[in-house]
Amino acid sequence: KAGVTQTPRYLIKTRGQQVTLSCSPISGHRSVSWYQQTPGQGLQFLFEYFSETQRNKGNFPGRFSGRQFSNSRSEMNVSTLELGDSALYLCASSLGFGGPQSEQYFGPGTRLTVT
Amino acid sequence: GENVEQHPSTLSVQEGDSAVIKCTYSDSASNYFPWYKQELGKRPQLIIDIRSNVGEKKDQRIAVTLNKTAKHFSLHITETQPEDSAVYFCAASSGANNLFFGTGTRLTVIP
Repeated sequence: KAGVTQTPRYLIKTRGQQVTLSCSPISGHRSVSWYQQTPGQGLQFLFEYFSETQRNKGNFPGRFSGRQFSNSRSEMNVSTLELGDSALYLCASSLGFGGPQSEQYFGPGTRLTVT
Repeated sequence: GENVEQHPSTLSVQEGDSAVIKCTYSDSASNYFPWYKQELGKRPQLIIDIRSNVGEKKDQRIAVTLNKTAKHFSLHITETQPEDSAVYFCAASSGANNLFFGTGTRLTVIP
């Protein structure tokens, strides 16, 4: 079974631009969570989608948004990019939530650099 | 919200020795505690997890213990090998799929 995939793997953007990142979960997994990883703040939860609905949201500004499609693929969007948005963006998929269904498996991440 | 603290931030051990990483959490509603291993430039990999109805879980050289009363959990790696060198993250969750991570422990196994 193929693992979680993310595209693109690397991205360079300029301040003020917007960016869209994509995540394809493991086949059969219906939950996708997004995390931001930086040296200073570590791994921080952004949001989680299950069956096309956002179930949880972390403490990030409204410039960060996401969605999930009927095939469970998910996208996240960051608008009006700031230098501080430079990070590794990881998505993780799980079967569902609660019990063993909540085990999360990570994709390789998208390395975003904002200049 | 949940706050997870992890210690130590760096750990060096001789090959064959044991390594212990400790985490504490603040939210008594947390009931799921996974551990991830992240090698340089790679994705975090789930290596073991424990739920609040269990006090200890083992998988070969890796074990995790949980003390719900004290709100702490630990990762134990025995007979360490050079390939165990990586950054290890603990995390906590209250059942929703939003993991709160510790700040990571860089483990170096010296051959």
